[in-house]
Amino acid sequence: DSGVTQTPKHLITATGQRVTLRCSPRSGDLSVYWYQQSLDQGLQFLIQYYNGEERAKGNILERFSAQQFPDLHSELNLSSLELGDSALYFCASSPRRLFEGYTFGSGTRLTVV
Amino acid sequence: AQSVTQPDIHITVSEGASLELRCNYSYGATPYLFWYVQSPGQGLQLLLKYFSGDTLVQGIKGFEAEFKRSQSSFNLRKPSVHWSDAAEYFCAVGMDSSYKLIFGSGTRLLVRP
Repeated sequence: DSGVTQTPKHLITATGQRVTLRCSPRSGDLSVYWYQQSLDQGLQFLIQYYNGEERAKGNILERFSAQQFPDLHSELNLSSLELGDSALYFCASSPRRLFEGYTFGSGTRLTVV
Repeated sequence: AQSVTQPDIHITVSEGASLELRCNYSYGATPYLFWYVQSPGQGLQLLLKYFSGDTLVQGIKGFEAEFKRSQSSFNLRKPSVHWSDAAEYFCAVGMDSSYKLIFGSGTRLLVRP
């Protein structure tokens, strides 16, 4: 157990639908990162939050959004889902300084049918 | 912009043989460098990291990596591979100002009995 909790582990939904992925960071970590992993795109950085505020944005589609709540858990919202959104979505957390690296959750596998 | 290149998509070694996985990065200053391992269906686990000091760093599971500034490389090595080392390995680079890690495309390690 890495200390980063992601729910649900698996999600199957239809095109056009909206889903919410949840992440609880490791205790004491203020930063949360979301990554998308697909076979053709590899591990792509989506977005980062630090202590409730958006800190950095990567290749995140406009149909996707995220937020970090006062208790530091984060949610990634994916809407108007397309087949190509099927992927593993990882959450990671880190303390304030990067030198400790990220701790990853076990991911949410999203399948859009 | 930062980038990470892992030139080998797949590598196959025999159990007990030595291993070296290559990683090259592009970044002006000395970055933070990481190696992560991902077993099938799992999240990414940190193997080792470098941010300053001794250029040869030791990690978990008997892995080590050497930072070579002149070659912009951070290759991962293991003297004797075990069947349980079969997984995908990711090199990552980051800088403290952004807290964001950029991942390479990964190298899949297969171990022959």
